[in-house]
Amino acid sequence: DTAVSQTPKYLVTQMGNDKSIKCEQNLGHDTMYWYKQDSKKFLKIMFSYNNKELIINETVPNRFSPKSPDKAHLNLHINSLELGDSAVYFCASSHQASHTDTQYFGPGTRLTVL
Amino acid sequence: AQSVAQPEDQVNVAEGNPLTVKCTYSVSGNPYLFWYVQYPNRGLQFLLKYITGDNLVKGSYGFEAEFNKSQTSFHLKKPSALVSDSALYFCAVRPPPGNTGKLIFGQGTTLQVKP
Repeated sequence: DTAVSQTPKYLVTQMGNDKSIKCEQNLGHDTMYWYKQDSKKFLKIMFSYNNKELIINETVPNRFSPKSPDKAHLNLHINSLELGDSAVYFCASSHQASHTDTQYFGPGTRLTVL
Repeated sequence: AQSVAQPEDQVNVAEGNPLTVKCTYSVSGNPYLFWYVQYPNRGLQFLLKYITGDNLVKGSYGFEAEFNKSQTSFHLKKPSALVSDSALYFCAVRPPPGNTGKLIFGQGTTLQVKP
């Protein structure tokens, strides 16, 4: 009965490859997010979708493309992977995009680019 | 610029002692403040939040936080630390206005509770 789930948990790949990370939430939330946590544990938002509509895009390279097929899913596709993309990527969801709503996070996907 | 600062990279306390993890913020308007905890190789877990009302907010696992508008602080506290509280703690702010849901995180504080 995991609330926010991500697959895969670990992803090791070569530079230049294209990969996807999937996220699903079963909380009935309307808003989903992607965050990146770098090697120094610093967390920064990348994208946010509300009802399948993009509402935040934080100057992320266009090699990163989020896709939301429905409200319960927000996938992250990354083209032409670079060494600097190595990080832990967290998906999160909240009821709405309101500033009072709590965001609930998935377990993270550790991406290692070789 | 809107930001959150956690001035201590690490806090060490003995089990049974009170703990404080500090957080200060800089936002225009009324802030909405959150604390999350991250255990090793795990996702972030929500602890508590301040939206409005009573300045002392109680949350999960016996944690509480005090909102102080004049000092622009939102320190996390617990009266008696447990070894199992050892983890990475993040303070975050959701700056108004607008309904984007964006959270700005501090750099994190590692809490080490020793037996």
